[in-house]
Amino acid sequence: DGGITQSPKYLFRKEGQNVTLSCEQNLNHDAMYWYRQDPGQGLRLIYYSQIVNDFQKGDIAEGYSVSREKKESFPLTVTSAQKNPTAFYLCASSIFLQAYSNQPQHFGDGTRLSIL
Amino acid sequence: KNEVEQSPQNLTAQEGEFITINCSYSVGISALHWLQQHPGGGIVSLFMLSSGKKKHGRLIATINIQEKHSSLHITASHPRDSAVYICAVRSAGGGADGLTFGKGTHLIIQP
Repeated sequence: DGGITQSPKYLFRKEGQNVTLSCEQNLNHDAMYWYRQDPGQGLRLIYYSQIVNDFQKGDIAEGYSVSREKKESFPLTVTSAQKNPTAFYLCASSIFLQAYSNQPQHFGDGTRLSIL
Repeated sequence: KNEVEQSPQNLTAQEGEFITINCSYSVGISALHWLQQHPGGGIVSLFMLSSGKKKHGRLIATINIQEKHSSLHITASHPRDSAVYICAVRSAGGGADGLTFGKGTHLIIQP
């Protein structure tokens, strides 16, 4: 079955460490997204990519970095510059970039990141 | 930027009850999404609609473009429907992904 796989489900980070969250999709989608979810808030866009080797900052990109070397993979690195990294992180994909057409959004099961 | 408001924020009901969750937005949209977030955190897309009504099993979604309002209904609710339901809209003034998300409605169905 096609879908989005995020790993790990739970991740712990020490102060000053960078950590990388994995996101893989086998839906053959061009567009991929990373969202952050905090209690009582709507999803906020961190980074997005509409095609391989291209990615753009979302609304809250500071302290994060991404890469898109393969169509199916869009890893997110939470750097030590992110002052409040504890949150739930969701990866999503769509056939094309949502901004250009109406289409369903597919989501992974998320990664919960906590600071030790 | 579009503002998306959901109501109620929290809803507890008994099994079998008819459930309604509301979503209002502030500016014109091209599409509205209803999403279901399971207790473990994963999100599933339930509906995408731009007019009228859609039905899938016990779930019904309606939208009134003139009133800038959508509702998600659950008939014959069951404890397995317990989840957070999120409304998201696609509009010209949205973010880079074109979507603005509501804060969600936390639904608990008690047996």
